[in-house]
Amino acid sequence: GNSVTQMEGPVTLSEEAFLTINCTYTATGYPSLFWYVQYPGEGLQLLLKATKADDKGSNKGFEATYRKETTSFHLEKGSVQVSDSAVYFCALKRGAQKLVFGQGTRLTINP
Amino acid sequence: DTGVSQNPRHKITKRGQNVTFRCDPISEHNRLYWYRQTLGQGPEFLTYFQNEAQLEKSRLLSDRFSAERPKGSFSTLEIQRTEQGDSAMYLCASLAPGLGNEKLFFGSGTQLSVL
Repeated sequence: GNSVTQMEGPVTLSEEAFLTINCTYTATGYPSLFWYVQYPGEGLQLLLKATKADDKGSNKGFEATYRKETTSFHLEKGSVQVSDSAVYFCALKRGAQKLVFGQGTRLTINP
Repeated sequence: DTGVSQNPRHKITKRGQNVTFRCDPISEHNRLYWYRQTLGQGPEFLTYFQNEAQLEKSRLLSDRFSAERPKGSFSTLEIQRTEQGDSAMYLCASLAPGLGNEKLFFGSGTQLSVL
């Protein structure tokens, strides 16, 4: 079946640190992959996406590359800010925009 | 605010009672989705509509759950005879028409607590 596994959280970093949140998936075929972010008190927002192997999604300084060989879609940012504190969800699309989400990773950035 | 709106934000009910949640999608969005999120987990798909037609229901959606979108605009999700296991955040999302469009817009959710 289709599933998404994210690195366990929570993750706490200092401002300007390098961020990696690991995400691996199991799926039939080559689904589109997404990172969604949930800021405190707000709904989930699409952060970035990639639709095929070797595509790189990017937004707000975040990047993730669709790696077919390792079935991974790790999220990275070179220098995090306090405002990046949120919960991050990796997801894959299972037809008709039905998303399968990972369990989420809570990120806290300290000044 | 023209985002996805969900009401109420919080609902506390006693086991065995019926509850109904409402979702108002972004205007002109023809697809509407319901997800359920429990503490520490990612959202899980429940059902979705294209206009007023309910096209798919997850096996998570027991016969105590029913969803409607009568005029292809707002949607309601009703849970009958609530159980403590129904306690969760219920999320609604909508999607604009267009081939290849993949950007879901989520509401802030309705937090249900069943006592």
